[in-house]
Amino acid sequence: SQQGEEDPQALSIQEGENATMNCSYKTSINNLQWYRQNSGRGLVHLILIRSNEREKHSGRLRVTLDTSKKSSSLLITASRAADTASYFCATENVGTSGSRLTFGEGTQLTVNP
Amino acid sequence: DTEVTQTPKHLVMGMTNKKSLKCEQHMGHRAMYWYKQKAKKPPELMFVYSYEKLSINESVPSRFSPECPNSSLLNLHLHALQPEDSALYLCASREQVSYNEQFFGPGTRLTVL
Repeated sequence: SQQGEEDPQALSIQEGENATMNCSYKTSINNLQWYRQNSGRGLVHLILIRSNEREKHSGRLRVTLDTSKKSSSLLITASRAADTASYFCATENVGTSGSRLTFGEGTQLTVNP
Repeated sequence: DTEVTQTPKHLVMGMTNKKSLKCEQHMGHRAMYWYKQKAKKPPELMFVYSYEKLSINESVPSRFSPECPNSSLLNLHLHALQPEDSALYLCASREQVSYNEQFFGPGTRLTVL
């Protein structure tokens, strides 16, 4: 079953605006990762935040993690048309058979020129 | 070389056919993954290979048969598939040290008639 839930499911903004996507999960995690997927293509890793970290930056991306609320957010600043894609959060859990990534439902971001 | 390649890009097969999907990486990664992704849904984990041994099988039907002939190559053998198996099949790899990013291939778009 999918652990992560993302909202909004879809987001449409104008170029230059900021985009914020949220992810909630249910069980303890080792880390949380964000990936981007352009239509029908493979996923591209954006950023990884470990369970003992609260905030991380990479270029125009800012990720926060609140383990007490079991939630994370991805902020893309000064968005560009090229940022149009689906964004997935993925939690890493360690079970008896090993570690696995479980993906949230995703947010479809459209950035209008 | 920092990419994961997958062949073929597209595959159409009948329910009685046998076909194989291929995935290759030359990054020295020792963990490799197969995911299935339906349209507008997140990727779902199917299999995990660690050091060329199958470590996780997410209760995938036996009509899907994975194989890891060496540390760079991962195959997915398909036999007697159903139309509902039509999906994007994604391969991924990462260093065996857990808790880091996965590198995804572009996927194989499979259609079962």
